Amino acid sequence: GENVEQHPSTLSVQEGDSAVIKCTYSDSASNYFPWYKQELGKGPQLIIDIRSNVGEKKDQRIAVTLNKTAKHFSLHITETQPEDSAVYFCAFRASGGSYIPTFGRGTSLIVHP
Amino acid sequence: DGGITQSPKYLFRKEGQNVTLSCEQNLNHDAMYWYRQDPGQGLRLIYYSQIVNDFQKGDIAEGYSVSREKKESFPLTVTSAQKNPTAFYLCASSIGTGRETQYFGPGTRLLVL
Repeated sequence: GENVEQHPSTLSVQEGDSAVIKCTYSDSASNYFPWYKQELGKGPQLIIDIRSNVGEKKDQRIAVTLNKTAKHFSLHITETQPEDSAVYFCAFRASGGSYIPTFGRGTSLIVHP
Repeated sequence: DGGITQSPKYLFRKEGQNVTLSCEQNLNHDAMYWYRQDPGQGLRLIYYSQIVNDFQKGDIAEGYSVSREKKESFPLTVTSAQKNPTAFYLCASSIGTGRETQYFGPGTRLLVL
């Protein structure tokens, strides 16, 4: 079945540093890759997404890169701030069959002031 | 103010009891989903519904039941057959088939007495 591996499971950085989270997926026909941020006790919120015809997408301090050949995509957060502390989930959707995304296990990002 | 609401925020279940979690959306979305979240396990799909009066089992449907009598509502019942119900339950919705972005509710935490 389809699956996605997300690393690292925990990431601790100092305020102002960059953070990178990587996901590797199994289905080479995947065409949609969203990233969600979940704060403590709340539901996940979409923060950025990318489609398979694009290699990189930026939105202020966050960016996502996609390497279709290697079947991995990454979330980059620059100039991290304490409010970036949360759990981040990657997901992907295959191009055919079920339209429901498959989620990674999450990365707990801790930004120390 | 559009969005997804879940109630209650906390729910306690006694041995042998069925409990129902509420999920309502006013986004006019056709598709709705229920996920279970356990520490370190990401989001696991319980049930989903593409349209009113139709729903499909997800990866971990055993011990759960759902109904979709109205477009806005997708309640989840945790039955006594679910032996390990303690978890954070998330409801989500999306515009419909092929429209991938999911919008999540704030979640319900279910605890066993």
